[in-house]
Amino acid sequence: QIHLVQSGGEVKKPGASVKVSCKVSGYTFRDYGISWVRQAPGQGLEWLGWISAQFGNTNYAQKFEGRVTMTRDTSTSTAYMELRSLRSDDTAFYYCARDVDIVTATTTALDYWGQGTLVTVSS
Amino acid sequence: DIQMTQSPSTLSASVGDRVTITCRASQGIRNDLGWFQQRPGKAPKRLIYAASTLESGVASRFSGSGSGTHFTLTISSLQPEDFATYYCLQHSGYPRTFGQGTKVEIK
Repeated sequence: QIHLVQSGGEVKKPGASVKVSCKVSGYTFRDYGISWVRQAPGQGLEWLGWISAQFGNTNYAQKFEGRVTMTRDTSTSTAYMELRSLRSDDTAFYYCARDVDIVTATTTALDYWGQGTLVTVSS
Repeated sequence: DIQMTQSPSTLSASVGDRVTITCRASQGIRNDLGWFQQRPGKAPKRLIYAASTLESGVASRFSGSGSGTHFTLTISSLQPEDFATYYCLQHSGYPRTFGQGTKVEIK
Protein backbone atom coordinates (compact mmCIF):
# COMPACT_ATOMS: atom_id res chain seq x y z
CA GLN A 1 0.00 0.00 0.00
CA ILE A 2 1.21 3.46 -0.88
CA HIS A 3 1.41 6.00 1.94
CA LEU A 4 2.65 9.56 2.17
CA VAL A 5 2.95 10.60 5.81
CA GLN A 6 3.56 14.25 6.62
CA SER A 7 4.97 15.92 9.68
CA GLY A 8 2.77 17.51 12.29
CA GLY A 9 1.22 20.95 12.45
CA GLU A 10 3.32 24.03 13.02
CA VAL A 11 2.71 27.48 14.47
CA LYS A 12 5.10 30.17 13.27
CA LYS A 13 5.50 33.89 13.67
CA PRO A 14 5.53 36.21 10.66
CA GLY A 15 8.95 36.29 9.05
CA ALA A 16 9.91 32.83 10.22
CA SER A 17 10.46 29.69 8.14
CA VAL A 18 8.75 26.32 8.18
CA LYS A 19 9.93 22.96 6.88
CA VAL A 20 7.39 20.21 6.23
CA SER A 21 8.38 16.61 5.60
CA CYS A 22 6.67 13.89 3.57
CA LYS A 23 7.82 10.31 4.10
CA VAL A 24 6.67 7.84 1.48
CA SER A 25 6.32 4.08 1.50
CA GLY A 26 4.87 1.40 -0.73
CA TYR A 27 6.61 2.39 -3.96
CA THR A 28 10.11 3.12 -5.26
CA PHE A 29 10.71 6.71 -4.16
CA ARG A 30 13.25 7.47 -6.91
CA ASP A 31 10.85 6.55 -9.71
CA TYR A 32 8.46 9.44 -9.09
CA GLY A 33 8.35 13.12 -8.31
CA ILE A 34 6.60 14.89 -5.47
CA SER A 35 4.37 17.93 -5.84
CA TRP A 36 3.41 20.25 -3.00
CA VAL A 37 -0.05 21.81 -2.88
CA ARG A 38 -1.57 24.12 -0.30
CA GLN A 39 -5.07 25.13 0.71
CA ALA A 40 -5.82 28.22 2.76
CA PRO A 41 -8.90 28.11 5.01
CA GLY A 42 -12.04 28.04 2.88
CA GLN A 43 -10.06 28.39 -0.34
CA GLY A 44 -9.13 26.20 -3.31
CA LEU A 45 -6.04 24.17 -4.10
CA GLU A 46 -2.81 25.93 -5.05
CA TRP A 47 0.24 24.17 -6.53
CA LEU A 48 3.59 25.28 -5.05
CA GLY A 49 6.06 23.17 -6.98
CA TRP A 50 7.56 19.80 -7.85
CA ILE A 51 10.76 17.93 -7.15
CA SER A 52 12.23 14.92 -8.91
CA ALA A 53 13.03 12.27 -6.31
CA GLN A 54 15.61 10.78 -8.67
CA PHE A 55 17.60 13.85 -9.64
CA GLY A 56 16.50 16.50 -7.17
CA ASN A 57 15.69 19.05 -9.84
CA THR A 58 12.77 21.30 -9.08
CA ASN A 59 10.06 23.35 -10.73
CA TYR A 60 8.44 26.06 -8.61
CA ALA A 61 5.34 28.15 -9.15
CA GLN A 62 6.46 31.66 -10.01
CA LYS A 63 4.54 33.04 -7.04
CA PHE A 64 6.81 31.15 -4.62
CA GLU A 65 10.14 31.46 -6.44
CA GLY A 66 12.79 32.74 -4.02
CA ARG A 67 10.73 31.81 -0.96
CA VAL A 68 10.33 28.05 -1.29
CA THR A 69 12.90 25.27 -1.42
CA MET A 70 12.05 21.64 -2.06
CA THR A 71 14.54 18.90 -1.27
CA ARG A 72 14.56 15.17 -0.81
CA ASP A 73 16.50 12.47 1.00
CA THR A 74 16.55 9.27 -1.02
CA SER A 75 18.04 7.28 1.88
CA THR A 76 14.85 7.82 3.91
CA SER A 77 12.36 8.25 1.03
CA THR A 78 11.42 11.64 2.39
CA ALA A 79 10.64 14.88 0.60
CA TYR A 80 10.80 18.31 2.24
CA MET A 81 9.26 21.68 1.55
CA GLU A 82 10.64 24.80 3.22
CA LEU A 83 8.81 28.11 3.00
CA ARG A 84 10.54 31.25 4.25
CA SER A 85 9.51 34.78 5.19
CA LEU A 86 6.12 33.54 6.33
CA ARG A 87 3.13 35.87 6.27
CA SER A 88 -0.33 35.48 7.75
CA ASP A 89 -1.72 34.57 4.33
CA ASP A 90 0.58 31.53 4.25
CA THR A 91 -1.67 29.96 6.88
CA ALA A 92 -2.91 26.82 5.15
CA PHE A 93 -2.90 23.08 4.96
CA TYR A 94 0.15 21.94 2.99
CA TYR A 95 -0.07 18.65 1.11
CA CYS A 96 2.50 16.50 -0.64
CA ALA A 97 1.36 14.30 -3.51
CA ARG A 98 3.07 11.76 -5.71
CA ASP A 99 3.74 13.13 -9.17
CA VAL A 100 5.43 11.98 -12.32
CA ASP A 101 9.08 11.89 -13.27
CA ILE A 102 10.98 10.99 -16.42
CA VAL A 103 10.39 7.26 -16.24
CA THR A 104 6.79 7.31 -15.03
CA ALA A 105 3.54 7.61 -16.94
CA THR A 106 1.71 10.92 -16.85
CA THR A 107 -1.32 9.11 -15.53
CA THR A 108 0.29 8.97 -12.07
CA ALA A 109 0.18 12.75 -11.60
CA LEU A 110 -0.98 13.54 -8.03
CA ASP A 111 -2.52 10.10 -7.60
CA TYR A 112 -1.61 9.70 -3.91
CA TRP A 113 -1.66 12.41 -1.26
CA GLY A 114 -0.36 12.95 2.23
CA GLN A 115 -2.75 13.74 5.05
CA GLY A 116 -1.83 17.42 5.10
CA THR A 117 0.09 19.62 7.53
CA LEU A 118 -1.51 22.73 9.00
CA VAL A 119 0.87 25.66 9.12
CA THR A 120 -0.44 28.57 11.13
CA VAL A 121 1.29 31.94 10.87
CA SER A 122 0.36 34.26 13.69
CA SER A 123 2.04 36.85 15.85
CA ASP B 1 0.70 29.31 -17.60
CA ILE B 2 -2.36 27.24 -18.43
CA GLN B 3 -5.50 28.57 -16.76
CA MET B 4 -8.29 26.19 -15.77
CA THR B 5 -11.77 27.71 -15.64
CA GLN B 6 -14.17 25.51 -13.68
CA SER B 7 -17.92 25.97 -13.46
CA PRO B 8 -20.19 26.26 -11.64
CA SER B 9 -18.56 27.34 -8.38
CA THR B 10 -21.54 25.99 -6.42
CA LEU B 11 -24.12 23.45 -7.40
CA SER B 12 -27.27 22.68 -5.40
CA ALA B 13 -28.74 19.28 -6.14
CA SER B 14 -30.81 16.48 -4.67
CA VAL B 15 -30.01 12.84 -4.11
CA GLY B 16 -30.57 11.02 -7.38
CA ASP B 17 -29.90 14.05 -9.59
CA ARG B 18 -27.51 13.95 -12.52
CA VAL B 19 -24.88 16.68 -12.21
CA THR B 20 -22.19 17.94 -14.55
CA ILE B 21 -19.13 20.04 -13.78
CA THR B 22 -17.06 21.65 -16.53
CA CYS B 23 -13.43 22.66 -16.82
CA ARG B 24 -11.98 24.63 -19.71
CA ALA B 25 -8.25 24.95 -20.32
CA SER B 26 -6.77 28.14 -21.75
CA GLN B 27 -4.83 26.02 -24.23
CA GLY B 28 -4.87 22.42 -25.36
CA ILE B 29 -3.76 19.88 -22.77
CA ARG B 30 -4.55 16.65 -24.67
CA ASN B 31 -6.10 14.47 -21.96
CA ASP B 32 -3.68 15.41 -19.16
CA LEU B 33 -6.47 16.11 -16.71
CA GLY B 34 -7.61 14.66 -13.43
CA TRP B 35 -10.72 15.14 -11.30
CA PHE B 36 -10.51 15.22 -7.51
CA GLN B 37 -13.06 15.03 -4.71
CA GLN B 38 -12.40 16.72 -1.40
CA ARG B 39 -14.52 16.23 1.68
CA PRO B 40 -14.25 18.71 4.58
CA GLY B 41 -11.11 18.19 6.62
CA LYS B 42 -9.70 15.59 4.25
CA ALA B 43 -7.03 15.48 1.58
CA PRO B 44 -8.18 15.51 -2.04
CA LYS B 45 -8.85 12.12 -3.58
CA ARG B 46 -8.36 11.48 -7.27
CA LEU B 47 -11.47 10.08 -8.97
CA ILE B 48 -10.55 10.21 -12.64
CA TYR B 49 -7.29 10.41 -14.56
CA ALA B 50 -6.44 10.86 -18.23
CA ALA B 51 -9.70 12.83 -18.46
CA SER B 52 -11.94 9.77 -18.58
CA THR B 53 -10.40 6.79 -16.74
CA LEU B 54 -12.00 5.90 -13.43
CA GLU B 55 -9.69 5.22 -10.51
CA SER B 56 -9.91 1.72 -9.14
CA GLY B 57 -12.57 1.52 -6.46
CA VAL B 58 -14.40 4.68 -7.48
CA ALA B 59 -18.14 4.28 -8.04
CA SER B 60 -19.21 3.89 -11.65
CA ARG B 61 -21.71 6.76 -11.32
CA PHE B 62 -18.69 9.05 -11.80
CA SER B 63 -17.53 9.62 -15.36
CA GLY B 64 -15.25 12.03 -17.17
CA SER B 65 -15.00 13.13 -20.75
CA GLY B 66 -13.23 15.59 -22.97
CA SER B 67 -9.91 16.30 -24.59
CA GLY B 68 -7.98 19.37 -25.62
CA THR B 69 -9.61 22.30 -23.85
CA HIS B 70 -13.07 21.17 -22.72
CA PHE B 71 -13.66 18.60 -19.98
CA THR B 72 -16.61 17.43 -17.94
CA LEU B 73 -17.18 15.41 -14.78
CA THR B 74 -20.61 13.81 -14.50
CA ILE B 75 -22.22 12.13 -11.52
CA SER B 76 -25.10 10.12 -12.94
CA SER B 77 -27.13 9.75 -9.74
CA LEU B 78 -25.98 11.85 -6.80
CA GLN B 79 -25.57 9.98 -3.53
CA PRO B 80 -25.36 11.46 -0.01
CA GLU B 81 -21.63 10.79 0.19
CA ASP B 82 -21.02 12.77 -3.03
CA PHE B 83 -21.75 16.13 -1.41
CA ALA B 84 -18.23 17.54 -1.45
CA THR B 85 -16.02 19.89 -3.42
CA TYR B 86 -14.61 18.84 -6.78
CA TYR B 87 -11.51 20.13 -8.55
CA CYS B 88 -9.98 19.58 -11.95
CA LEU B 89 -6.20 19.58 -12.35
CA GLN B 90 -4.17 19.92 -15.53
CA HIS B 91 -0.75 18.28 -15.55
CA SER B 92 0.19 18.90 -19.16
CA GLY B 93 3.21 20.82 -17.96
CA TYR B 94 4.43 23.14 -15.24
CA PRO B 95 3.05 24.85 -13.34
CA ARG B 96 0.27 22.40 -12.51
CA THR B 97 -2.98 24.31 -12.23
CA PHE B 98 -6.29 23.54 -10.56
CA GLY B 99 -9.75 24.71 -11.36
CA GLN B 100 -11.36 26.98 -8.76
CA GLY B 101 -13.47 24.13 -7.38
CA THR B 102 -17.17 23.23 -7.42
CA LYS B 103 -18.99 22.76 -4.14
CA VAL B 104 -21.87 20.31 -4.52
CA GLU B 105 -24.48 21.12 -1.89
CA ILE B 106 -27.71 19.51 -0.81
CA LYS B 107 -30.73 21.25 -2.30
